[in-house]
Amino acid sequence: DAGVIQSPRHEVTEMGQEVTLRCKPISGHDYLFWYRQTMMRGLELLIYFNNNVPIDDSGMPEDRFSAKMPNASFSTLKIQPSEPRDSAVYFCASSSALGSRGGGSYEQYFGPGTRLTVT
Amino acid sequence: GEDVEQSLFLSVREGDSSVINCTYTDSSSTYLYWYKQEPGAGLQLLTYIFSNMDMKQDQRLTVLLNKKDKHLSLRIADTQTGDSAIYFCAEYTGGFKTIFGAGTRLFVKA
Repeated sequence: DAGVIQSPRHEVTEMGQEVTLRCKPISGHDYLFWYRQTMMRGLELLIYFNNNVPIDDSGMPEDRFSAKMPNASFSTLKIQPSEPRDSAVYFCASSSALGSRGGGSYEQYFGPGTRLTVT
Repeated sequence: GEDVEQSLFLSVREGDSSVINCTYTDSSSTYLYWYKQEPGAGLQLLTYIFSNMDMKQDQRLTVLLNKKDKHLSLRIADTQTGDSAIYFCAEYTGGFKTIFGAGTRLFVKA
């Protein structure tokens, strides 16, 4: 498997613009997570899905952020309008109840991240 | 609430052992993990330990778990420059949520 795929890898945009980040989880994984990483706040869980349904979005900073998972192989995180304080690395991760070893160890597999810079 | 704490920096000489420590608060944690993040990359699972174990060894890595003190450690034997990275301690608390620490940045001096 190619692992978790994220696009774009880098995004530079101006304040006020809409930004869409994309993620393709590992095939067969039924959980998908979106995280944000900054030096100041570390790794923050924004939202996660189970079988394409959002389960917990309490980490989404505000209404400017939205996430969708229209099918098992694709998810988007949208920021509209973007602000400079949204600059961060955004990670997508996926997981399976069985884990890679079939024993239910719940480990997460991370994509390479999207580095977002809002000027 | 749930929290995972770890020191932010550790510096060691090449060939020495590194020990990265972590404390967690949720006594019901079933799995505890160590993830590694190299520059420009996502987190990658290094190893994990189930809560009914107190030690796990995997080649150069040794994980020790003290459930009474809610303390987890990762020992890297014969540390190499390629081990320089950020190491995250994490706990699985149920409901498919994993709580991550802030990460320990390991510097390995040649």
